[in-house]
Amino acid sequence: AQSVAQPEDQVNVAEGNPLTVKCTYSVSGNPYLFWYVQYPNRGLQFLLKYITGDNLVKGSYGFEAEFNKSQTSFHLKKPSALVSDSALYFCAVRVSGGSYIPTFGRGTSLIVHP
Amino acid sequence: NAGVTQTPKFQVLKTGQSMTLQCAQDMNHNSMYWYRQDPGMGLRLIYYSASEGTTDKGEVPNGYNVSRLNKREFSLRLESAAPSQTSVYFCASSGRTRDRTDTQYFGPGTRLTVL
Repeated sequence: AQSVAQPEDQVNVAEGNPLTVKCTYSVSGNPYLFWYVQYPNRGLQFLLKYITGDNLVKGSYGFEAEFNKSQTSFHLKKPSALVSDSALYFCAVRVSGGSYIPTFGRGTSLIVHP
Repeated sequence: NAGVTQTPKFQVLKTGQSMTLQCAQDMNHNSMYWYRQDPGMGLRLIYYSASEGTTDKGEVPNGYNVSRLNKREFSLRLESAAPSQTSVYFCASSGRTRDRTDTQYFGPGTRLTVL
């Protein structure tokens, strides 16, 4: 079984401040972890993924995510938020070697204030 | 290279009407998916197709049917629409990548309202 939780429905941050969007997961085995972003009235866009190796993954638009195996977390981060980062963010997980279909979290709305 | 395309973008139906949502991908992906997105519910898988000629039920298949017409196209049909099917529908595709993660790529969505 695989599951993912995004504990915050909404995250508010001021422009220029660092941002973190949280994600925790549960899988039986080694995880593949993904972050997607959805801008208003658009489809989901792939941001980054963790496969194995380096715990810090860098992705598009200056985003990065930190894999923490002991805490089963994969938090999305950005050092300096932009108003244009305001969107809905989804975390997803699938188990390595298992079903290729990922399980998505419910999404976190990120609002960056000017 | 258009990626994943969906038609129509918007649709309003009356209860009991039928319609087909179309999806096509030009990335030569084997696998295709239909999701619905509802507020507070995230993405829920309706049906998927691992390869041309095969389809399987996902989490919420009731009231829907699918057809994998060929490798490029995967359609979703509502035979008798109900207000509970008001939602945003996303098609996605994935292909076996060298890193074996089968990363999904999504279309722009179809916003369906059933009155």
